[in-house]
Amino acid sequence: QLQLQESGPGLVKPSETLSLTCTVSGGSISSSSYYWGWIRQPPGKGLEWIGSIYYSGSTYYNPSLKSRVTISVDTSKNQFSLKLSSVTAADTAVYYCAGVHGSGYYYMDVWGKGTTVTVSS
Amino acid sequence: SSELTQDPAVSVALGQTVRITCQGDSLRSYYASWYQQKPGQAPVLVIYGKNNRPSGIPDRFSGSSSGNTASLTITGAQAEDEADYYCNSRDSSGNHPFGTGTKVTVL
Repeated sequence: QLQLQESGPGLVKPSETLSLTCTVSGGSISSSSYYWGWIRQPPGKGLEWIGSIYYSGSTYYNPSLKSRVTISVDTSKNQFSLKLSSVTAADTAVYYCAGVHGSGYYYMDVWGKGTTVTVSS
Repeated sequence: SSELTQDPAVSVALGQTVRITCQGDSLRSYYASWYQQKPGQAPVLVIYGKNNRPSGIPDRFSGSSSGNTASLTITGAQAEDEADYYCNSRDSSGNHPFGTGTKVTVL
């Protein structure tokens, strides 16, 4: 059973870079059936797609965040990571990683539990 | 545009049927997937593809699609179905924007 777990600092200072890692267990990050995404949810608001990465390293980013986002993959550690630069209070959110099933239909059937990141000095 | 629009809130009497809709251009090319989110929890996939339910999702949840509109129907709503529901679809740029979300209240 595929499982995902987010990790990283819960508090980031304004203007700094938010860094999170998602560890994949119960399966390989190099699976041909999945690619890997980051989603966030500000307090009291809806879900926002951040971007995704294939195990090959190909990436897709939300245009509204593209200038600040980098998603990378480390197949040796079965992990993928998110970096969001120049953060402000508006980046305070619960950040989720998810596996995107991309063979045939597209859907996210495996999610991490989420990690709360607060941007504050 | 890759935006997906949902009604902000709907209510349904216990045991009755409610339909939630999602509109967007990407739905003409890709099927929507639907996610249930309860307070303090991660989203859970409830419908994907033409009308497929993951293991463990009750059969009172069903999906349909026509043109630029996807729908999630709960037939015989239960108290535990009270939650926020989000649609999602791949778009032409390879991203997966979410719908604006619908809060379902079971009366």
